[in-house]
Amino acid sequence: SQKIEQNSEALNIQEGKTATLTCNYTNYSPAYLQWYRQDPGRGPVFLLLIRENEKEKRKERLKVTFDTTLKQSLFHITASQPADSATYLCALDNDYKLSFGAGTTVTVRA
Amino acid sequence: DGGITQSPKYLFRKEGQNVTLSCEQNLNHDAMYWYRQDPGQGLRLIYYSQIVNDFQKGDIAEGYSVSREKKESFPLTVTSAQKNPTAFYLCASSLQSMNTEAFFGQGTRLTVV
Repeated sequence: SQKIEQNSEALNIQEGKTATLTCNYTNYSPAYLQWYRQDPGRGPVFLLLIRENEKEKRKERLKVTFDTTLKQSLFHITASQPADSATYLCALDNDYKLSFGAGTTVTVRA
Repeated sequence: DGGITQSPKYLFRKEGQNVTLSCEQNLNHDAMYWYRQDPGQGLRLIYYSQIVNDFQKGDIAEGYSVSREKKESFPLTVTSAQKNPTAFYLCASSLQSMNTEAFFGQGTRLTVV
């Protein structure tokens, strides 16, 4: 069966450190992968999209890698700030629709 | 301002009632989606539409119905056949159904009373 698995444990980190989130998938062949941020009680907001032929993508303090051999994406938040505290979701294209992981909750301590 | 609007934000339903959740977008997007989110779980796809007058079932369509009579509107009806409807419902749209970011509404929290 198809699965998208993200870090099951919440991530608590000190301000200024780098947060690294993992997204592993099985029985998908995505042409691209996306990362979203979701705050409590609100809809997800798009952050980054990376295509299967791209190894790495950056946007400000965010970095995403995509390894189709390992079937894994890593999402990094560098120089983290308390405002980065949220749940982060990965999503894969799946036959003309997006399938989402359960998300990883990140808390950045001041 | 362009965006995607869901209403109402909170909705209470009595058992046995049908309720309709509204989703409107003015982004001129072709594709629209409905997801359900339960606590601690990811988004699960209910229905999606790639073009007006056409829609497909997602992973958990039982007990739900949709229509796509206009490009900008994609209402979701939660019928009495949905046995556990209490959840957070999210509508999204994208320019195309592949390879583009999705824009989400603010969600509707449905509670059965």
